[in-house]
Amino acid sequence: GDSVTQMEGPVTLSEEAFLTINCTYTATGYPSLFWYVQYPGEGLQLLLKATKADDKGSNKGFEATYRKETTSFHLEKGSVQVSDSAVYFCALSVNTGGFKTIFGAGTRLFVKA
Amino acid sequence: NAGVTQTPKFQVLKTGQSMTLQCAQDMNHNSMYWYRQDPGMGLRLIYYSASEGTTDKGEVPNGYNVSRLNKREFSLRLESAAPSQTSVYFCASSDRGASSPLHFGNGTRLTVT
Repeated sequence: GDSVTQMEGPVTLSEEAFLTINCTYTATGYPSLFWYVQYPGEGLQLLLKATKADDKGSNKGFEATYRKETTSFHLEKGSVQVSDSAVYFCALSVNTGGFKTIFGAGTRLFVKA
Repeated sequence: NAGVTQTPKFQVLKTGQSMTLQCAQDMNHNSMYWYRQDPGMGLRLIYYSASEGTTDKGEVPNGYNVSRLNKREFSLRLESAAPSQTSVYFCASSDRGASSPLHFGNGTRLTVT
């Protein structure tokens, strides 16, 4: 079945470090891919998305490229800030009679000043 | 800009008690969803409603029922709560289409003792 696998956390970085969170997926058909972010005590909110192969999603300095050949959608940021500390979820959405979104387990990021 | 509103924010139940979690969205979205979030497991879909008048089971529907009351409202009912249902519950909504992102409420933290 359809699934999303992302790197386990927590990931701890110093401010201004480079961030990569790996995400791979398994899906039938052509899914849309998403990264969501969750801050403490809140629901998830969309960070970025890509809807077809080779698309690059970007927002707030974060980027991810839809790689069909490697079934990956890795999240990157060149210089993290303390305010980026949160839990990040990779997700895919497929049309299976209804548009269901499947999430990875989440990766917690801590950024130290 | 209310978005997706969930009530209550916190609830403690005893085993066997029942309760209904309420969710309303003001974005005129067709699709609505209930997820549960457990540590290390990401979000798992309980039920969803692709459009007004329809509901379908997700990954973990046992022990739950739902009602799509109208286009705005989608409620989740626990008929006889069990400790295994201790979790954080999120309601979400989206437009039609796999490329449409989910919009989440801030969650209900439920503890069953």
